[in-house]
Amino acid sequence: DTAVSQTPKYLVTQMGNDKSIKCEQNLGHDTMYWYKQDSKKFLKIMFSYNNKELIINETVPNRFSPKSPDKAHLNLHINSLELGDSAVYFCASSLKGGSSGNTIYFGEGSWLTVV
Amino acid sequence: KQEVTQIPAALSVPEGENLVLNCSFTDSAIYNLQWFRQDPGKGLTSLLLIQSSQREQTSGRLNASLDKSSGRSTLYIAASQPGDSATYLCAVNDYKLSFGAGTTVTVRA
Repeated sequence: DTAVSQTPKYLVTQMGNDKSIKCEQNLGHDTMYWYKQDSKKFLKIMFSYNNKELIINETVPNRFSPKSPDKAHLNLHINSLELGDSAVYFCASSLKGGSSGNTIYFGEGSWLTVV
Repeated sequence: KQEVTQIPAALSVPEGENLVLNCSFTDSAIYNLQWFRQDPGKGLTSLLLIQSSQREQTSGRLNASLDKSSGRSTLYIAASQPGDSATYLCAVNDYKLSFGAGTTVTVRA
């Protein structure tokens, strides 16, 4: 049973469209994250939620809107997609966030290509 | 702003050789440091987590050291195998994870 699962794994869409990536964790963790890995392979945090509450919001365009209906789910909705949004998006979770020192577990990634 | 650097960017060794991967970070006020492995087209797998109060962690053939004061961590992989071929990422936690660009390792059979 996959600990952190995200769907879809691959997504090809046209500029201007709106798309969502879903993430679920079955580890009972309180904290969930979205990371973006660009073409140069750098991973950067986008958002972090703790118990459905937003605690980290890096300088991400407001076209990106995370939604956490419960602490096991953190979905990422992207409006008006641009070419530069093409990347791999990783969902992750940890028991507690921030200074807790807990291991972070990652999903398999969602490959988004905007054409 | 935390900056994490990994050297070398790529490494190719014959099977059986020991691997040494380096990670340096600019702000030593961290809670912990985590080493991950990433296979092509896959997510990240956590290898070792070192708390800021620890000097090293070991798991099987893997050993990671942490020198917080100098902003350095080293991942040692003993007796490398072709299955160790992957990209290894270092991430420091100073409330949020900051990643290095990774070291891509190829172990030749």
